[in-house]
Amino acid sequence: EAGVTQFPSHSVIEKGQTVTLRCDPISGHDNLYWYRRVMGKEIKFLLHFVKESKQDESGMPNNRFLAERTGGTYSTLKVQPAELEDSGVYFCASSLAVIASGRAGPGGNEQFFGPGTRLTVL
Amino acid sequence: QKEVEQDPGPLSVPEGAIVSLNCTYSNSAFQYFMWYRQYSRKGPELLMYTYSSGNKEDGRFTAQVDKSSKYISLFIRDSQPSDSATYLCAMTLITSGTYKYIFGTGTRLKVLA
Repeated sequence: EAGVTQFPSHSVIEKGQTVTLRCDPISGHDNLYWYRRVMGKEIKFLLHFVKESKQDESGMPNNRFLAERTGGTYSTLKVQPAELEDSGVYFCASSLAVIASGRAGPGGNEQFFGPGTRLTVL
Repeated sequence: QKEVEQDPGPLSVPEGAIVSLNCTYSNSAFQYFMWYRQYSRKGPELLMYTYSSGNKEDGRFTAQVDKSSKYISLFIRDSQPSDSATYLCAMTLITSGTYKYIFGTGTRLKVLA
């Protein structure tokens, strides 16, 4: 079974340009997450899709970032216009289900991560 | 103050050594405590997770949680060069009807042959 895939693996753009990152989750996973790791910092949550709906986008840095998941399959994350501080590694993760009970965690809810897209803004 | 603190290392040990990796946290609402391993140019992969205070073993790996001290550890016995990677602790939190992973910065481990 294919894991989470991300494209491109590396992108180098100039400040002010637009970049679109793509994530293909594991087939059948309704939940899709975007994370970002800025150099020297921890991986931080950006947003969570359940199928095509945004469940939580509280981690999105500002309105230059736009995430979509049309049809509930793959997702794109567009940065427009890109700034220097947007450089980092963008990870996508997917999971099968979110348990409705108060206990949240791995097991059936394990998030599987893609290899990331390394974005460099010059 | 960060919610999760983790020493970034790097940590270099000889092959066969016991490795101890640690994280502290400040939020009592965290539910699951996880350890991820990340090889260079790859995504994080889940190694172990636990919910309760105490120890959980899986082969050469032992995860330990002390909720009273807000401290978690990962022990690697008989470390191998193939264990060389970045180890990230992560914790889950329910907010806004979803659950998020809160990560530590990761500790880079190098096991020398």
